[in-house]
Order: sequence, then structure tokens, then C-alpha cells
Amino acid sequence: AQTVTQSQPEMSVQEAETVTLSCTYDTSESDYYLFWYKQPPSRQMILVIRQEAYKQQNATENRFSVNFQKAAKSFSLKISDSQLGDAAMYFCAYSKDSNYQLIWGAGTKLIIKP
Amino acid sequence: DVKVTQSSRYLVKRTGEKVFLECVQDMDHENMFWYRQDPGLGLRLIYFSYDVKMKEKGDIPEGYSVSREKKERFSLILESASTNQTSMYLCASSLYGQANSPLHFGNGTRLTVT
Repeated sequence: AQTVTQSQPEMSVQEAETVTLSCTYDTSESDYYLFWYKQPPSRQMILVIRQEAYKQQNATENRFSVNFQKAAKSFSLKISDSQLGDAAMYFCAYSKDSNYQLIWGAGTKLIIKP
Repeated sequence: DVKVTQSSRYLVKRTGEKVFLECVQDMDHENMFWYRQDPGLGLRLIYFSYDVKMKEKGDIPEGYSVSREKKERFSLILESASTNQTSMYLCASSLYGQANSPLHFGNGTRLTVT
């Protein structure tokens, strides 16, 4: 069965610094999708970044980028120039195909220190 | 922007009550989902629907049912609420499958069953 593990329940970073959130997953599929979702204190979850496993290039969205290591089954999220608005729960998720349900990690709470 | 509206932000119900959680989306999305979010467990899929009057069980459907009579509305029903159903409930919608298009979430309903 596919699983997603986020080993850091909580992380903190100084404003303007860079932080990396870890995510590992277990699958026997060769093609799949990976996601990072952000849930701020307002609770509304939003998609941060999406990666397709067949693509070698790491996905990037402005200050957010991923380090996708397919062989290691690792999908970490790097946030550069951290801002107070980045404070949130971050969830890593996996899907084995486009119509399959997402498998979610337990989440990492990110605290930004001013 | 897609808007997913959950009828209640906080709800307190008694054990044995029938509980209705309502969710409405305004972007003509085919797919709608109900998740349960618990600390340390991430998000778990209760039910989803890919069309009007269609429903599929997710990972934890026991104790829940759903109704989708209109495309924009997806209701979660707790037939006889129990204390172990105290949780945060998130509704989401998407245009295509969960991996092909972003999930758009509501703000969540924090349900307490006493």
C-alpha cells in the first residue's frame, strides 16, 4: 500500500531564511503524482506545487521549489526567503494516477520567527 | 476564483443526533470530496462524487453517508453522531481528477460531538 511520511511534525525558520520540509513516500508505481498543499490558520487548503514523476525537472513556483529524488522516493519542499505569510501546515500528498485518490502525509507545522 | 463554501465553521452536536454538513461550490466542478482531518493523521477521504447522484466510498466511509442531488452541492451526513466523529471536516472540489487539477477546499467545519 502506498504511504506518505512527513517526519517533521513541526519546523521553525527565521523570516527571510530558507527552510526545507521533508516528505518520503512508498510506492511500486513508476508513474505517479506528488503534491504539496498549504493550510494556513484560516484553514483553507491551497495547492503549492505539483510534480509528475516522469518529469526529471524539479517543479518550481516562485519561492517554492521541490527536490524530487525518485530513486530515494523523496519529495522535499524548499521555501526560500521565508515570509510571515508562509506560516501554515504543509501537507505532502501522492496519487498513483490522474483519477486516483490522494494519499496524504500527516503534515508539518511551519513557524516563521520574525 | 473557485469558491467552496461549507455551511458551518463550528458545530456542536450530541451523541446520537443526525448531522448534516453542507458544501457548495460555484465553479461547475464535476468532482467533490469530503475529507476528515485529525492531528497526526493528515487527511482521510470519506466519500467522493464525480457526478450528480454518483458517490464512491473513500478510506473511512463507516458511519457516514453522502448526498449529491445537484452538481454544486455535496452533503455529508452522520446518521447517528458518535464522539469518535469529533473532527475537522473538509470539503473540496476539482474540475478533473484529483491529480490533474487542483483540489479547491472550503474553510472546514470543526465538529464536536458530546
